[in-house]
Amino acid sequence: GENVEQHPSTLSVQEGDSAVIKCTYSDSASNYFPWYKQELGKRPQLIIDIRSNVGEKKDQRIAVTLNKTAKHFSLHITETQPEDSAVYFCAASKNAGNMLTFGGGTRLMVKP
Amino acid sequence: ETGVTQSPTHLIKTRGQQVTLRCSSQSGHNTVSWYQQALGQGPQFIFQYYREEENGRGNFPPRFSGLQFPNYSSELNVNALELDDSALYLCASSLGQDLNEQFFGPGTRLTVL
Repeated sequence: GENVEQHPSTLSVQEGDSAVIKCTYSDSASNYFPWYKQELGKRPQLIIDIRSNVGEKKDQRIAVTLNKTAKHFSLHITETQPEDSAVYFCAASKNAGNMLTFGGGTRLMVKP
Repeated sequence: ETGVTQSPTHLIKTRGQQVTLRCSSQSGHNTVSWYQQALGQGPQFIFQYYREEENGRGNFPPRFSGLQFPNYSSELNVNALELDDSALYLCASSLGQDLNEQFFGPGTRLTVL
């Protein structure tokens, strides 16, 4: 089955700096890669996703890149703000509505 | 916030007991997936229901079972509870099982003593 690894497990940045979180996946049939943000005690919220027919997608301060050959994808957050502090999860699946395999999560701390 | 709701919010059970968790999907969504999230870990897929039929199952034993009703709401049942079943149980709904994103409910925090 699919295996998703996520790095780093914790990331501390200064407000205004950029943050990058990286994930690798094992199943070449996976074609949908969402990123979820989970604040303490709350539900995971979809913040951005990318499908295998594109290499990059951007939404304001957030961007995701996908390298299908190397089987890795990354989340980039620019101009970080304290409210970006949360746990971020990457995931992979064969289709958006299908079983999601999650990475282990990255705790992002943005220091004011 | 999504339109996915779950009940109860918190639950405490003892080892060996049985539990039923409930999920109401977002309006118009016909697919519900259940995930288990242990403390400090990513969610793990339990199973998915599409139009009242189980449509995929993760690596969980048969004592984890479920149902989906005609209005697409869903139940997760866990028999013979074990201490390791303590976790946040999340359901996610989507329209169909292919192209559309999954939106998560707030979860049920289950503690097994």
